[in-house]
Amino acid sequence: GAVVSQHPSRVICKSGTSVKIECRSLDFQATTMFWYRQFPKQSLMLMATSNEGSKATYEQGVEKDKFLINHASLTLSTLTVTSAHPEDSSFYICSASGSGDGYTFGSGTRLTVV
Amino acid sequence: AQRVTQPEKLLSVFKGAPVELKCNYSYSGSPELFWYVQYSRQRLQLLLRHISRESIKGFTADLNKGETSFHLKKPFAQEEDSAMYYCALSGRFSGSRLTFGEGTQLTVNP
Repeated sequence: GAVVSQHPSRVICKSGTSVKIECRSLDFQATTMFWYRQFPKQSLMLMATSNEGSKATYEQGVEKDKFLINHASLTLSTLTVTSAHPEDSSFYICSASGSGDGYTFGSGTRLTVV
Repeated sequence: AQRVTQPEKLLSVFKGAPVELKCNYSYSGSPELFWYVQYSRQRLQLLLRHISRESIKGFTADLNKGETSFHLKKPFAQEEDSAMYYCALSGRFSGSRLTFGEGTQLTVNP
């Protein structure tokens, strides 16, 4: 089946620094990628939708200057959390569509900002 | 607007008992409905989608357009079914956003 690789799985960074999370579709071309945020014991909240070669569409309340999304190729999308603060600590999950199997999810990235 | 509601945050049953996880939705159009499962410390996995009409791991779900529901059912629960279950909805066009319900934590007791 379709596979999406998300890296890193865990990252700890200092407050004020930036962190980049990568999401790769390994065996299919991901026409659209999605980025979610999941708080403990809560559901996935969609942050943004990105299509290859175009600007991402952000959900209401999500700061586009803080959460930079780049979808430069059909197999790679990146999420950069800029000037991270402790309240940005969360579980970030990417998802890709285009495999014909609906949506394929990455394994998630646990971000801790200290 | 698209919305998914899972009224039960927690559901506990005994092994061998039937289980039903409820899901209701609102969507102006023809949606595509999914059930995803997340086992402890694992990534989200697709359990089933309504268009495929499959039965996965003994689970089935029928789309009821009149009641706007997509409840997940299994006649005999197993301990390994214990997990978080998410109902999700998208439009039918390519690249449509996927909206999740709040999730139901299912615990199957021995």
